[in-house]
Amino acid sequence: ETGVTQTPRHLVMGMTNKKSLKCEQHLGHNAMYWYKQSAKKPLELMFVYNFKEQTENNSVPSRFSPECPNSSHLFLHLHTLQPEDSALYLCASSHGTANTGELFFGEGSRLTVL
Amino acid sequence: RKEVEQDPGPFNVPEGATVAFNCTYSNSASQSFFWYRQDCRKEPKLLMSVYSSGNEDGRFTAQLNRASQYISLLIRDSKLSDSATYLCVVQGGGGSYIPTFGRGTSLIVHP
Repeated sequence: ETGVTQTPRHLVMGMTNKKSLKCEQHLGHNAMYWYKQSAKKPLELMFVYNFKEQTENNSVPSRFSPECPNSSHLFLHLHTLQPEDSALYLCASSHGTANTGELFFGEGSRLTVL
Repeated sequence: RKEVEQDPGPFNVPEGATVAFNCTYSNSASQSFFWYRQDCRKEPKLLMSVYSSGNEDGRFTAQLNRASQYISLLIRDSKLSDSATYLCVVQGGGGSYIPTFGRGTSLIVHP
């Protein structure tokens, strides 16, 4: 069983759709992250949760809405997205947010917005 | 100036070659440094941490130069399987421990 699991792996949605990305970690970590990876750009941090509390919101548009019901699960709710939101969305976890150490990534959810 | 800068490449080298990548960072208070590897259409994975005294792991050597604010990764005796994107990651400083990623350097090792 992989440490960090993301579903779905691929998602195609229209600009008026509402969908959600799911992330689950089996590593006993306390911190979880959403990153966006677009072509030819560095990974962009979107949100950070530590012990279920959001500690970072990196000026992300409100059409992206995170949810962290517990330390093992993280969701990214999507609505009225734009074509430029098409990217690979990576979930990661770490022991905590103080002196993070290694980040463990899921395989990503590749999103295409039509 | 970008927080973490890397030459995107690609670096195209033959098998057996030695190749080096540099990464510069802007925050002089940064405390932790890492190299991650990302294969095509895969997630990033930790390759190695970078320590002040420099460290080596097999064919890979990482160095930190705090005065000039850069880290380096040296790969000796390149293998075809080393083909990937190498991401520089800097963490800490200014009260934040959130890792900041460079855009990555692409390496292609050919026969």
